[in-house]
Amino acid sequence: GDSVTQMEGPVTLSEEAFLTINCTYTATGYPSLFWYVQYPGEGLQLLLKATKADDKGSNKGFEATYRKETTSFHLEKGSVQVSDSAVYFCALGDNNAGNMLTFGGGTRLMVKP
Amino acid sequence: EPEVTQTPSHQVTQMGQEVILRCVPISNHLYFYWYRQILGQKVEFLVSFYNNEISEKSEIFDDQFSVERPDGSNFTLKIRSTKLEDSAMYFCASSEVRVNTGELFFGEGSRLTVL
Repeated sequence: GDSVTQMEGPVTLSEEAFLTINCTYTATGYPSLFWYVQYPGEGLQLLLKATKADDKGSNKGFEATYRKETTSFHLEKGSVQVSDSAVYFCALGDNNAGNMLTFGGGTRLMVKP
Repeated sequence: EPEVTQTPSHQVTQMGQEVILRCVPISNHLYFYWYRQILGQKVEFLVSFYNNEISEKSEIFDDQFSVERPDGSNFTLKIRSTKLEDSAMYFCASSEVRVNTGELFFGEGSRLTVL
């Protein structure tokens, strides 16, 4: 079945540091890929998405490129801020698997001033 | 901005008791879901609901679980006889279109603690 694997946290960075959170996936079809973010005390919210190979999703300075050859969708940001501290979830939506998302385990990011 | 709301935010119950978690999805959305996250583990799909019936459910969603949309606005998850392993954060979500093309909107979650 489909699965998503992302790096375990917590990831602790200083403000303005470069961020990478790795995500790889296994899917039977041609999935869409997503990053969701959960700020403290809130629900998950969509950060960015890519629906086909080589697409780049971007939002709020975050980027991720859909790499079919490496089955990856790594999240990057050039300069993190304290306000980016949150839990980040990689997810895939595979029409072959039905109308649902498969999530990774989440990576907690802590940014220190 | 429209949002998904969930109640209660936290419920503590005794093993074997029935629990109902409530959700109000975004009003023009057509698809409704429940996910759960056991502490320290992945967010897991439980069930999706469309056109007043279950469209998909996972292996987790056994006979102890049921969902209902009783009045056109609320979407409820019932656990008939809770077990210790049902302790988790339960997230309701809704979407306008199927999730692999659109966006899933989540509530803030209901934390269930089974003693």
